[in-house]
Amino acid sequence: AQSVTQPDIHITVSEGASLELRCNYSYGATPYLFWYVQSPGQGLQLLLKYFSGDTLVQGIKGFEAEFKRSQSSFNLRKPSVHWSDAAEYFCAVVLSMDSSYKLIFGSGTRLLVRP
Amino acid sequence: GAGVSQTPSNKVTEKGKYVELRCDPISGHTALYWYRQSLGQGPEFLIYFQGTGAADDSGLPNDRFFAVRPEGSVSTLKIQRTERGDSAVYLCASSRGTSDTGSEQFFGPGTRLTVL
Repeated sequence: AQSVTQPDIHITVSEGASLELRCNYSYGATPYLFWYVQSPGQGLQLLLKYFSGDTLVQGIKGFEAEFKRSQSSFNLRKPSVHWSDAAEYFCAVVLSMDSSYKLIFGSGTRLLVRP
Repeated sequence: GAGVSQTPSNKVTEKGKYVELRCDPISGHTALYWYRQSLGQGPEFLIYFQGTGAADDSGLPNDRFFAVRPEGSVSTLKIQRTERGDSAVYLCASSRGTSDTGSEQFFGPGTRLTVL
């Protein structure tokens, strides 16, 4: 079955430390890949997306993600976490053959930031 | 500019009642999506509109759920005979289209539905 997996339910990092959030997908072809962030009381906000081309993608708020076809992964990274990054992060895909462009989300990773 | 808005922000109803949830997309966005987010889960797709028509309703869980977008702008998600399992946050998103360059979906803050 087609799926998006975020294996870490919670991650806690210290402010200023680096961050990597994992995302794996299982599809026959390369999907379009997205990372969204959801803060309490806020709507989902797009951090970055990958459709094709350079496999290292830069996003907003200092985030980046790398697409690795061999590992079916699209991990999100940030070199230095700020307290304001505490939120829920969702990896999502769109099947490239799906004309509706509907998003298929993982179950999310909650990031906690220690002062 | 105005983003996607959803009303009400919270809705509490009793089992068996009928509810309507409203979504106002960003002006000019032709594509509109509804998602449902249960506690501790990622959003799940319900239905997609391109203009006035429901182009993909494969995510609607059963025939108690229905959505309309009569003028290609505002959309209403309708749930009949609500059940406790319908309790969730219902999210609406809109986008300029479904090409690569126009496909970014902008999400509203959601409506939290609680069925007692």
